[in-house]
Amino acid sequence: DTGVSQDPRHKITKRGQNVTFRCDPISEHNRLYWYRQTLGQGPEFLTYFQNEAQLEKSRLLSDRFSAERPKGSFSTLEIQRTEQGDSAMYLCASSLGLPNEQFFGPGTRLTVL
Amino acid sequence: DQQVKQNSPSLSVQEGRISILNCDYTNSMFDYFLWYKKYPAEGPTFLISISSIKDKNEDGRFTVFLNKSAKHLSLHIVPSQPGDSAVYFCAAISAVSGGSNYKLTFGKGTLLTVNP
Repeated sequence: DTGVSQDPRHKITKRGQNVTFRCDPISEHNRLYWYRQTLGQGPEFLTYFQNEAQLEKSRLLSDRFSAERPKGSFSTLEIQRTEQGDSAMYLCASSLGLPNEQFFGPGTRLTVL
Repeated sequence: DQQVKQNSPSLSVQEGRISILNCDYTNSMFDYFLWYKKYPAEGPTFLISISSIKDKNEDGRFTVFLNKSAKHLSLHIVPSQPGDSAVYFCAAISAVSGGSNYKLTFGKGTLLTVNP
C-alpha cells in the first residue's frame, strides 16, 4: 500500500495528557498537510510543510499544538495538555508539487475524556 | 466565516438518475476547486477538480461545472450508483503567503444516498 498512512487510528486520552500522532506521506510527495475535522464540519486546515519546512500555520493551531517533519518524510503532530475541545479526527494529506490533488490518510480519531 | 458553503446537508436519489451536488463560495481569490468523497472511517478521496479558468471538467460519470460570476459550482453524477453513497465535500484552494503555499478550504459536506 503506497497511500498516506496515519498512526494510531484511534486514541482515547484523559484531559491534560499529551498525545502524538504520526503521518507517513506518499514517498515522493514533498508537501504535507494536517487538517482537523469535527462532527458535522468539513476538514479545517491546521498546518503545511514543504519538505521539512513548516510554511503555514492556522490560527486553530494553538501553542499546545506542535508539528514537525524533521527529515522531510514523516510528520508528527503533538498536542500538549489535551482539552475536551481537541476531540476530533486529525487528517494528514500529501501532494507532489501543486496541491491540486491532496491525498488524504485515514485519519486519527482523538477522544479526550 | 464560511468561505465554502454546501447548503444541502443531504441528498437522496434513485439509482440510475442524476445526482447534483451544489457548492457556493465567497472568496474571489480561490483559483482551483475540488470535490472529495468520504466514506465513514476513511479519509477523503479526491474525485475531480476544476481550474478557475474553465467552466466544465468531465471524468467518466462525474462532471463539475463552475460559474465564476455566481461563485457557484456543482458536481453531477450520471448515472448514480449505490456505491456513490458517501459524504461529498467541496473544497477550494487560495494561494496564501506569497503565492507558493496552498491550503484547502472545505465546505461542510453533503451526504448523498443512492437508493437501489
